[in-house]
Amino acid sequence: KQEVTQIPAALSVPEGENLVLNCSFTDSAIYNLQWFRQDPGKGLTSLLLIQSSQREQTSGRLNASLDKSSGRSTLYIAASQPGDSATYLCAPLEDSSYKLIFGSGTRLLVRP
Amino acid sequence: DAMVIQNPRYQVTQFGKPVTLSCSQTLNHNVMYWYQQKSSQAPKLLFHYYDKDFNNEADTPDNFQSRRPNTSFCFLDIRSPGLGDAAMYLCATRMGVSRDRETQYFGPGTRLLVL
Repeated sequence: KQEVTQIPAALSVPEGENLVLNCSFTDSAIYNLQWFRQDPGKGLTSLLLIQSSQREQTSGRLNASLDKSSGRSTLYIAASQPGDSATYLCAPLEDSSYKLIFGSGTRLLVRP
Repeated sequence: DAMVIQNPRYQVTQFGKPVTLSCSQTLNHNVMYWYQQKSSQAPKLLFHYYDKDFNNEADTPDNFQSRRPNTSFCFLDIRSPGLGDAAMYLCATRMGVSRDRETQYFGPGTRLLVL
């Protein structure tokens, strides 16, 4: 059974810092991995999708990497801003079930 | 432009009173999902449709049912809500054609309160 762990559970940084959020998963049989952002009381917004054959994806100040064989992904946020404050969730897409399996997320606070 | 729409955004119901949550999509996607998310927890998949094929998760309570009358709409019915069913309910869609490169899109969610 796929299990997804996100570390740290919460993170508080001053504005302008570069930061890394970590995601690990136990079953490497995945089609892709998505990173989502969730603001309080809202739905999930997709940030990046990395296909299983890819090593990384970039969108603006965000860069996500994937090491499928070791079951790890990271989300790098450059030059963090207060508007980046949210919960970030990673979710690999299982190839056996075609389902996203979510981690519990990292709650990020960027202080002005 | 909204692609996955959920109504209502907030729903208050009484203990044991049936309630229906609605989801619609403008993406013409084949797959629609319903998730339950409780505070500070990961979204938990309840069930999903691939076109008209219904797939229930093994641990989804019988109290939860779903209908998909057409491609665009999907409903979540809670037959007898309990206090433990208070949560955010998220609808999501996926094209369902190219598995490795498809983004899953989520609606804004419906927050359910059970009194």
